[in-house]
Amino acid sequence: DAKTTQPNSMESNEEEPVHLPCNHSTISGTDYIHWYRQLPSQGPEYVIHGLTSNVNNRMASLAIAEDRKSSTLILHRATLRDAAVYYCILTGTDSGGGADGLTFGKGTHLIIQP
Amino acid sequence: DGGITQSPKYLFRKEGQNVTLSCEQNLNHDAMYWYRQDPGQGLRLIYYSQIVNDFQKGDIAEGYSVSREKKESFPLTVTSAQKNPTAFYLCASSIVLAGSSSYNEQFFGPGTRLTVL
Repeated sequence: DAKTTQPNSMESNEEEPVHLPCNHSTISGTDYIHWYRQLPSQGPEYVIHGLTSNVNNRMASLAIAEDRKSSTLILHRATLRDAAVYYCILTGTDSGGGADGLTFGKGTHLIIQP
Repeated sequence: DGGITQSPKYLFRKEGQNVTLSCEQNLNHDAMYWYRQDPGQGLRLIYYSQIVNDFQKGDIAEGYSVSREKKESFPLTVTSAQKNPTAFYLCASSIVLAGSSSYNEQFFGPGTRLTVL
């Protein structure tokens, strides 16, 4: 399985944009890029996913490099409620896009300063 | 409200005892999953099931057992054979879309924190 690399932690100020990077240099042409986040003592929640094009939803934006070897999750205006561990996960279409389970790394611990 | 429920939230057991963690979903999802999380670590897959009466081992299935007799329920038993069972256990579910271009968002429950005394 293709692996992802994320910084262990990042810090940002409230109401400022946050850019969370993810490297996935061994990604295959059919791998999806997903982001989940986990608030303290809770289960993870889906944030966004993409394949090739940049994606936007109400929570965040996903910017995917042209060669797909890296991506960036963008929180446009961070709040204290965005403090969480953010996971970048790849799944292949052979696995039904994750229907046989997701592989989580350690993720990035995002700290938001008031 | 639709969602996934896990009970209990906290569970204590004595060493050598089996214990069953409950997971129920009313999202009409075909697939269900069990993950384990240790402090400061990511989630690791224990078992998953894509259809009733069928399930597959994940990366760390040793010392665990599951059943899938009903679509909405996927209980996990932590047996005495699991050498280090103290952890945070998370259940998830998803639909299963047909086709190679599919993607299956997983919905997670609130988790059960198991402590072995």
